[in-house]
Amino acid sequence: NAGVTQTPKFRVLKTGQSMTLLCAQDMNHEYMYWYRQDPGMGLRLIHYSVGEGTTAKGEVPDGYNVSRLKKQNFLLGLESAAPSQTSVYFCASRAGTSGNNEQFFGPGTRLTVL
Amino acid sequence: AQSVTQLDSHVSVSEGTPVLLRCNYSSSYSPSLFWYVQHPNKGLQLLLKYTSAATLVKGINGFEAEFKKSETSFHLTKPSAHMSDAAEYFCVVSRSGGYQKVTFGTGTKLQVIP
Repeated sequence: NAGVTQTPKFRVLKTGQSMTLLCAQDMNHEYMYWYRQDPGMGLRLIHYSVGEGTTAKGEVPDGYNVSRLKKQNFLLGLESAAPSQTSVYFCASRAGTSGNNEQFFGPGTRLTVL
Repeated sequence: AQSVTQLDSHVSVSEGTPVLLRCNYSSSYSPSLFWYVQHPNKGLQLLLKYTSAATLVKGINGFEAEFKKSETSFHLTKPSAHMSDAAEYFCVVSRSGGYQKVTFGTGTKLQVIP
């Protein structure tokens, strides 16, 4: 099992450009999450999904959109990138139904917006 | 509602001495609690979790944590620090059962001095 994978690993964008980050998991998990990590702020939840075809907003959703067309994939889109979106982005997945289940994290995507 | 507070943003210990990373939580529900470790430029890895079974939880690499309901604490300890323990550690609270809300602490960076 590959676990959780993220594509790409690094990206540099100019202000106003768009991009999509891909997260894939092969553990048949129901729940998937997108976080951003900034120094001194821990991980902040951007959007999450509790199953195929469903998405919901997290703490910091503005400027991002997501889609979960297939259970194994969770896409994070930036329509018009801003320097404030420079961050490290982590995807995670989790088996459903119980709060006891831990999250499994991808390796991260380091995004710089100039 | 739930929250988690990591009381120290940085902790420095000498190799071979004990490690204590402090975490307090609040939760309106019966919580599940987790500690994750993040090595530089890596994703997050689960160290251990508390899920309402034994209050003393043993994790990987010699770490353990004790759930103290009366003190609303879940401190992470290790008897003897190793250089490879240098990393950032995150305390996480989630609701046990039902809705899958997960809240991260802001992290504690552990420095191990040779």
